[in-house]
Amino acid sequence: DGGITQSPKYLFRKEGQNVTLSCEQNLNHDAMYWYRQDPGQGLRLIYYSQIVNDFQKGDIAEGYSVSREKKESFPLTVTSAQKNPTAFYLCASSEAGGNSPLHFGNGTRLTVT
Amino acid sequence: RKEVEQDPGPFNVPEGATVAFNCTYSNSASQSFFWYRQDCRKEPKLLMSVYSSGNEDGRFTAQLNRASQYISLLIRDSKLSDSATYLCVTYNTNAGKSTFGDGTTLTVKP
Repeated sequence: DGGITQSPKYLFRKEGQNVTLSCEQNLNHDAMYWYRQDPGQGLRLIYYSQIVNDFQKGDIAEGYSVSREKKESFPLTVTSAQKNPTAFYLCASSEAGGNSPLHFGNGTRLTVT
Repeated sequence: RKEVEQDPGPFNVPEGATVAFNCTYSNSASQSFFWYRQDCRKEPKLLMSVYSSGNEDGRFTAQLNRASQYISLLIRDSKLSDSATYLCVTYNTNAGKSTFGDGTTLTVKP
């Protein structure tokens, strides 16, 4: 079955450590996105990529980094510079163009103490 | 002001009720519109796309008014399983990205 896989589902880290969240899709989608969701709030865009080897900052990119070396993969690194990293992180993909809806992974819940 | 604004809710309705959610967007460059459903602690899932002509899928009807920059979702004959948060989403073709509203929470009670 085609879909998006995020791993791990739960992640615990100590403050000051970088952590990388995995996102893989086999939908052959060109575009991939990373969102952050805090309790009771909507999704905020961190980074997005329309094509391999290219990506753009979203609305809250500070303290995060990404890479898009392969079409299927779009890993997100939460660096120690991110002030409040504890959140629910969602990866999504879509076909090129705006008429295609987003397909989401199951998300990763990151807790930093 | 947020780019996509929704009724804050929560909406608490009895089974069988009709409920309507509203959404306004401020970016006139928005080209595509969607409603997503998100269950507690889960990922959002597409409920329906929204077209200018309006579209219906079973008990759900979505409307778009480009002139007023307004989107709506109507749920008829509410079921307990409709309890969720409903997210209004716009897509800006120029920027190549989607913007989400904060969502409206619906609880359908027996």
